Amino acid sequence: AQRVTQPEKLLSVFKGAPVELKCNYSYSGSPELFWYVQYSRQRLQLLLRHISRESIKGFTADLNKGETSFHLKKPFAQEEDSAMYYCALPEKGSGGGADGLTFGKGTHLIIQP
Amino acid sequence: GAGVSQSPSNKVTEKGKDVELRCDPISGHTALYWYRQSLGQGLEFLIYFQGNSAPDKSGLPSDRFSAERTGGSVSTLTIQRTQQEDSAVYLCASSLEWRGAYEQYFGPGTRLTVT
Repeated sequence: AQRVTQPEKLLSVFKGAPVELKCNYSYSGSPELFWYVQYSRQRLQLLLRHISRESIKGFTADLNKGETSFHLKKPFAQEEDSAMYYCALPEKGSGGGADGLTFGKGTHLIIQP
Repeated sequence: GAGVSQSPSNKVTEKGKDVELRCDPISGHTALYWYRQSLGQGLEFLIYFQGNSAPDKSGLPSDRFSAERTGGSVSTLTIQRTQQEDSAVYLCASSLEWRGAYEQYFGPGTRLTVT
């Protein structure tokens, strides 16, 4: 069964410092991976997905199939980056497609001034 | 445009009562998903709909949970004979199609408290 592991429940860094939120996965086949973010009092929203290979709000994530990782990185953290971050991949459905998403437990990122 | 909406935003109920949670997806989205977010379990996938059909109900925690979707739009998640362990935030999401690569848009959630 697929699994997503985010080893850090809480990560606190100072403004301007680099940030790396770790995500490891187990999945048979070629995974499609996502990072979702939930800011305080806001709904869960997509931050980025690996197939787009884009940078959103200065964040990037590279899929490393050898290490089965999809770590989220930003070179210079900003206070507005404080939020809960969830790594996710699609659950494999019985019909061959994807059902919902399997989420990691999340990392609470706190950016200190 | 309007996003995913859920009602009620908060629900407090007594143990043993039935509750019904509602989700209005984004218009035109064929796929709809229900998740549960709790302190101990994190975000847990419950069930999804492709149109009005739910191909796999194995993610529902128990047979007290059921869900339906009508007209390819509104969905309701019903919990019968609620228990304290059902207390959680129930999230609904929708996406253009049901394949995994499509972005899921989440609602604000319904916070359920069972006393």
